[in-house]
Amino acid sequence: QLQLQESGPGLVKSSETLSLTCSVSGGSISRSSHYWGWIRQPPGKGLEWIGSIYYTGSTYNNPSLKSRVTISLDTSKNHFSLKLSSVTAADTAVYYCARDLTGGILGGGFGYWGQGTLVTVSS
Amino acid sequence: QSALTQPRSVSGSPGQSVTISCSGTSSDIGGYNYVSWHQQHPDKVPKLMIYDVSKRPSGVPDRFSGSKSGNTASLTISGLQAEDEADYYCCSYAGSYTVVFGGGTRLTVL
Repeated sequence: QLQLQESGPGLVKSSETLSLTCSVSGGSISRSSHYWGWIRQPPGKGLEWIGSIYYTGSTYNNPSLKSRVTISLDTSKNHFSLKLSSVTAADTAVYYCARDLTGGILGGGFGYWGQGTLVTVSS
Repeated sequence: QSALTQPRSVSGSPGQSVTISCSGTSSDIGGYNYVSWHQQHPDKVPKLMIYDVSKRPSGVPDRFSGSKSGNTASLTISGLQAEDEADYYCCSYAGSYTVVFGGGTRLTVL
């Protein structure tokens, strides 16, 4: 059974870079045609897609976050990572990592989710 | 890229059917058959209920069904149960390798 687990600092200072890692077990991130993604949810608000990375390493980001997002794969550790630069209080949210269900289609539905991790941006 | 439009809340009594709409544009919902629906109970992880407009993942009851007409997608829950009370989010491929979510709908079972 595929399992995803986010890890990283729960508190980040304003203007600094938020860094999170999603560790994957029960499957390889590089051996099948899946999209691995990051989604966030500010307290009391809805879901927002941050970006996704294909198993080949190609990345796709939410235009609203412009160039602040970097997503990468580490196949040796079977995990993928998120970096969000120049954070502000508006970036305070629960951050989820997720994977598509069937593979090969971005936007085909996120069938596997991590438990989520709350990241608070402090001033 | 704008969020898809969902009603803030819907409600229904046990046993009834409810439909949640998700309105987009020809650049997202109307342009592709990649609409999904996720259920989220309070303080829980979202769960995929429908993908590719109308397909159900293994284990999702057939009380849940999805459809699309033009730029609007819909999630219908029949035989409403207390456990269905949750937030529901639609999601669509929006072209140019981007994904967009709806604002979410709170379903209340009366």
